[in-house]
Amino acid sequence: QQQVKQSPQSLIVQKGGISIINCAYENTAFDYFPWYQQFPGKGPALLIAIRPDVSEKKEGRFTISFNKSAKQFSLHIMDSQPGDSATYFCAASSPNAGNMLTFGGGTRLMVKP
Amino acid sequence: SAVISQKPSRDICQRGTSLTIQCQVDSQVTMMFWYRQQPGQSLTLIATANQGSEATYESGFVIDKFPISRPNLTFSTLTVSNMSPEDSSIYLCSALGTGWVYTFGSGTRLTVV
Repeated sequence: QQQVKQSPQSLIVQKGGISIINCAYENTAFDYFPWYQQFPGKGPALLIAIRPDVSEKKEGRFTISFNKSAKQFSLHIMDSQPGDSATYFCAASSPNAGNMLTFGGGTRLMVKP
Repeated sequence: SAVISQKPSRDICQRGTSLTIQCQVDSQVTMMFWYRQQPGQSLTLIATANQGSEATYESGFVIDKFPISRPNLTFSTLTVSNMSPEDSSIYLCSALGTGWVYTFGSGTRLTVV
């Protein structure tokens, strides 16, 4: 599987702050980049996704920034809330690689009240 | 997006036995996948379940150990065969549906004793 590198592994943010999670990929054939949120005991749930033809996508408090030339993308959570405390995974897929998702290592986010 | 029902949600099994996990999607989907997730870790793709043909396995996973069926466009099973404690993990079903959305089941937490 092609690699997707995610950082940081863990993140502590104060309530109201901005949480930033970064991912880097190697395969230039990737053309779909989703972010997933996972709570304990649950499966990953799609948060937001982007394709490489745009540099930014915003949905509510969540924004993806995408840098095609650097092969990097990031998730920004504005006004972070304790309910955002979860594990976040970036992922990527390519039609040339069977369309399966390749996941980053995950970031455990804790938002302190 | 599609809704996935996965069962059982958890099981404790004796070593040497087999467990079959079922994945039911509420709508026809293009592709179905099976992942393994160790607690606190990222997701690793086991195989792509192909409708009407043999599954496509990732490196490190073999059909004899993880036989997969997909008899139609909404249902798939994963069997974990001849289990050992090293097979203790969370197994997740995923489906690629309309709008290019990947949905996940809640997972099966397997403990082998």
